[in-house]
Amino acid sequence: GAGVSQTPSNKVTEKGKYVELRCDPISGHTALYWYRQSLGQGPEFLIYFQGTGAADDSGLPNDRFFAVRPEGSVSTLKIQRTERGDSAVYLCASSSQANTGELFFGEGSRLTVL
Amino acid sequence: AQKITQTQPGMFVQEKEAVTLDCTYDTSDQSYGLFWYKQPSSGEMIFLIYQGSYDEQNATEGRYSLNFQKARKSANLVISASQLGDSAMYFCAMRELTSGGYNKLIFGAGTRLAVHP
Repeated sequence: GAGVSQTPSNKVTEKGKYVELRCDPISGHTALYWYRQSLGQGPEFLIYFQGTGAADDSGLPNDRFFAVRPEGSVSTLKIQRTERGDSAVYLCASSSQANTGELFFGEGSRLTVL
Repeated sequence: AQKITQTQPGMFVQEKEAVTLDCTYDTSDQSYGLFWYKQPSSGEMIFLIYQGSYDEQNATEGRYSLNFQKARKSANLVISASQLGDSAMYFCAMRELTSGGYNKLIFGAGTRLAVHP
């Protein structure tokens, strides 16, 4: 499809396990963002990529969280030693330019840590 | 610190009527941007409208308009002629000031809008 694609749409895991969430942005979009949305809240910024590099990772909650975008397109958010508090919807967004007003979001990956 | 406040957890409106969703913000920056997004049950965030702090005119996009009152630090969303498909969560957001001018957004807690036939 032409939109931002995120997989898996749902992931249930056990506490302490490792999880990877994938984002396939709109073709040609150089800016890519990860946001996290907890139940009943608005999204919270995690990390921003411009091309292959993470230009701002100040929103990552701790060193268990890591994200990569090796070829400047697909991005993977990696969570080590998952905790129950990591349960949330992880949203990916992309845009053609860094400073454009419009972000195109995917439908998110819902992570549940038991 | 920058903050977005949406005081209405839920709103309902009759189909074809207009509705206003409230948003107030707090920032010490002189230059900032304000956004409204719609989140239907599918989960994706859909961009609706943008207002820059230096824009003299209120932003409009089709049935959406932004009532920007800078002195009051409010950026309310007005939806005219509501449709059943407008039922969703609505989020107000502000762009946090960054050196690169990218969309590091701070979101409010959202307002759930229900449109009744």
